[in-house]
Amino acid sequence: KAGVTQTPRYLIKTRGQQVTLSCSPISGHRSVSWYQQTPGQGLQFLFEYFSETQRNKGNFPGRFSGRQFSNSRSEMNVSTLELGDSALYLCASSLMGQITDTQYFGPGTRLTVL
Amino acid sequence: AQSVTQPDIHITVSEGASLELRCNYSYGATPYLFWYVQSPGQGLQLLLKYFSGDTLVQGIKGFEAEFKRSQSSFNLRKPSVHWSDAAEYFCAVGAAGGSYIPTFGRGTSLIVHP
Repeated sequence: KAGVTQTPRYLIKTRGQQVTLSCSPISGHRSVSWYQQTPGQGLQFLFEYFSETQRNKGNFPGRFSGRQFSNSRSEMNVSTLELGDSALYLCASSLMGQITDTQYFGPGTRLTVL
Repeated sequence: AQSVTQPDIHITVSEGASLELRCNYSYGATPYLFWYVQSPGQGLQLLLKYFSGDTLVQGIKGFEAEFKRSQSSFNLRKPSVHWSDAAEYFCAVGAAGGSYIPTFGRGTSLIVHP
């Protein structure tokens, strides 16, 4: 069974631009979560989508948004990019998004903001 | 609020030696605890998790962890380290009874000498 895939793997943008990252979960998984990983802040939860609805949200500004499609694929969008948005963005999927479910992570998208 | 502390930023061991990675958590109730591993250029992979019951948990790749409520600790151990274990290790805590919104520690980088 294919794992979680994320596209693109690498991205370079300039300040002020916007970016869209994509995540395809494991087949049958309905929950998709997004995380930001930086050397300074570590791993931080961005948001979680389940059945096309944002169910949980971390402490990030409104510039960070996402959505989930009917096939469970998810996208996250960052508008008006700042230098501090440079990070590895990880997507993870699980069956139902419950804490007892195992989350499977993708390899991440490395975003560099210049 | 829940929090996780991994006191060791880096740990260096020789191949074949035993390993213990420390994790201390802060959480008001019984926590759900996790250990993940991240190899370079990869996403996170779940090594093991503790929800309840036996406080010694067995995971994949020969790892185990012990939950000690009195010390608020969930240390990861392996009796004999292999060179392929070199990676970043993250401890995480989640709230019981709900969606999976983990709080991660800052990680411990494991270096394995031949």
